[in-house]
Amino acid sequence: ELKVEQNPLFLSMQEGKNYTIYCNYSTTSDRLYWYRQDPGKSLESLFVLLSNGAVKQEGRLMASLDTKARLSTLHITAAVHDLSATYFCAVPGNQFYFGTGTSLTVIP
Amino acid sequence: DGGITQSPKYLFRKEGQNVTLSCEQNLNHDAMYWYRQDPGQGLRLIYYSQIVNDFQKGDIAEGYSVSREKKESFPLTVTSAQKNPTAFYLCASKPTDRHNQPQHFGDGTRLSIL
Repeated sequence: ELKVEQNPLFLSMQEGKNYTIYCNYSTTSDRLYWYRQDPGKSLESLFVLLSNGAVKQEGRLMASLDTKARLSTLHITAAVHDLSATYFCAVPGNQFYFGTGTSLTVIP
Repeated sequence: DGGITQSPKYLFRKEGQNVTLSCEQNLNHDAMYWYRQDPGQGLRLIYYSQIVNDFQKGDIAEGYSVSREKKESFPLTVTSAQKNPTAFYLCASKPTDRHNQPQHFGDGTRLSIL
């Protein structure tokens, strides 16, 4: 069974700082997805990474995929309070396999 | 606008009772999924369906049942056999012919025990 691990599980950071969330997965996949979930809400698709070396950027978030290392990163640049949410990575197989989530709190 | 509609938003279940959560999509997606999310946890797959009249168990199917009689609809029944049903339930869908597309999610149903 495919395993997807994220770290850290919890992240508290000050506004204006940079940080990276990591997503490791256990078997070969050439695709990976990032989602955002606000408290009590549903999941919203952020990034679709479709090949080794793929990099996508949206505002202060940048996601990358290294399929050889089975690793994706979500980099946050100059964090703002609006980025506070839980972030999930997901890897497709027979089904979609979700990471445990990273709960991000940005402190003013 | 196309999307996924889950209802009700909140649901209360009495002990011994079966309850059904609705999930309807007008995105013309073939694949549909049900997930359970417990507080502070990730998503766990209950059931999924790739095509009408066919569905497969996910990781935590015990105590749940589904049907897929129409492409648009994938209702989930939480049976009395599910002893700890309190959770946030999310329905998702995805096209199978465009397999790079992400899953689209509904707004969820929050189920509690009375």
